[in-house]
Amino acid sequence: AQSVTQLDSQVPVFEEAPVELRCNYSSSVSVYLFWYVQYPNQGLQLLLKYLSGSTLVKGINGFEAEFNKSQTSFHLRKPSVHISDTAEYFCAVRTASGGSYIPTFGRGTSLIVHP
Amino acid sequence: GAVVSQHPSRVICKSGTSVKIECRSLDFQATTMFWYRQFPKKSLMLMATSNEGSKATYEQGVEKDKFLINHASLTLSTLTVTSAHPEDSSFYICSASGTSVYNEQFFGPGTRLTVL
Repeated sequence: AQSVTQLDSQVPVFEEAPVELRCNYSSSVSVYLFWYVQYPNQGLQLLLKYLSGSTLVKGINGFEAEFNKSQTSFHLRKPSVHISDTAEYFCAVRTASGGSYIPTFGRGTSLIVHP
Repeated sequence: GAVVSQHPSRVICKSGTSVKIECRSLDFQATTMFWYRQFPKKSLMLMATSNEGSKATYEQGVEKDKFLINHASLTLSTLTVTSAHPEDSSFYICSASGTSVYNEQFFGPGTRLTVL
């Protein structure tokens, strides 16, 4: 079984400041990791994903995340946020091979960007 | 990337009626579709997984007779909420995955259901 923990339910930040949204996972096998963004009353949009290779993954809208196997983390970062980044962010994990390919989602982190 | 659509985007219905939500993969063949329910300020709750041409697999606690799922083709899955009640009001999101080795999911825009 696998699980995902998003440590912060809400992260307030001022515009143009850097931000980090934390995600930790647990799994006994190799995993794929994802970050999704959800704007109000919309579905989920993939920000970035880690499948293999370089542990630093760059995504859309200036976001990046780093896979740290020893710390079982996949934190999302952006060096300078905009008001338009205000949204709900979900981390997800699924097994890389065998087992269930259905991802497990974290509870989400609400990023609130203040002017 | 792959596009998944949902229809309708919003629906308001009276208690006791049934509502059908459609989920379509527009530019790829979706061998598997997923239906999620999302409560306010909550994460997504997987309701069921459906493979084209076979019966859906429901998660524990989800009433299969209340939430009817049909995946009749590789591009269309439907969720019918039967005899809807106010507690069924929620945001329903579908996702679809194709035959990619990574089985990446592509999400629809969601349907807001309000039962009066």
